[in-house]
Amino acid sequence: GENVEQHPSTLSVQEGDSAVIKCTYSDSASNYFPWYKQELGKRPQLIIDIRSNVGEKKDQRIAVTLNKTAKHFSLHITETQPEDSAVYFCAASSTGNQFYFGTGTSLTVIP
Amino acid sequence: SQTIHQWPATLVQPVGSPLSLECTVEGTSNPNLYWYRQAAGRGLQLLFYSVGIGQISSEVPQNLSASRPQDRQFILSSKKLLLSDSGFYLCAWSVEGEQFFGPGTRLTVL
Repeated sequence: GENVEQHPSTLSVQEGDSAVIKCTYSDSASNYFPWYKQELGKRPQLIIDIRSNVGEKKDQRIAVTLNKTAKHFSLHITETQPEDSAVYFCAASSTGNQFYFGTGTSLTVIP
Repeated sequence: SQTIHQWPATLVQPVGSPLSLECTVEGTSNPNLYWYRQAAGRGLQLLFYSVGIGQISSEVPQNLSASRPQDRQFILSSKKLLLSDSGFYLCAWSVEGEQFFGPGTRLTVL
């Protein structure tokens, strides 16, 4: 089955700096890669996703890049703000039935 | 628009007691449905997923079971809870690839 690895497990940045979270996957059949943000005590929220026919996708301050050859994808957050502090999860799916999640990155933005 | 409901929001149960958590989805037909468990400070563990009524796939052997009696209803059950069953239980649905989570049930087993 698919194996998704996520790094780093914790990340601290100064407000205004950029944050990058990286994930690798093992199954070349995976073709959909969502990112979720989970604030303390709340449900994970889908913040951005990318499909395998696209190399990069941007939505305001967040962007995701995908390298199918190397089987890795990354989340980029620019101009970080304290409200960006949360746990971020990456995931991979090939069939749309099963989703394989990374272990999460706890991001802290220091004011 | 689609909405997913879970209840109860919080639950405190003694060891050995039964469990029933319910999840319902509105605004979509024939969704894939999922149960995940999240221990404190940990990642998402897939417990069950269903692609249709009566079709359940189990990912992890455990004392939990799931049922899907209707297209948009997914139930998680246990006959006897263990201390290790404590956690944040999340129901999710997906259609055309995108997956969305319900508000969750926080279960504490004492």
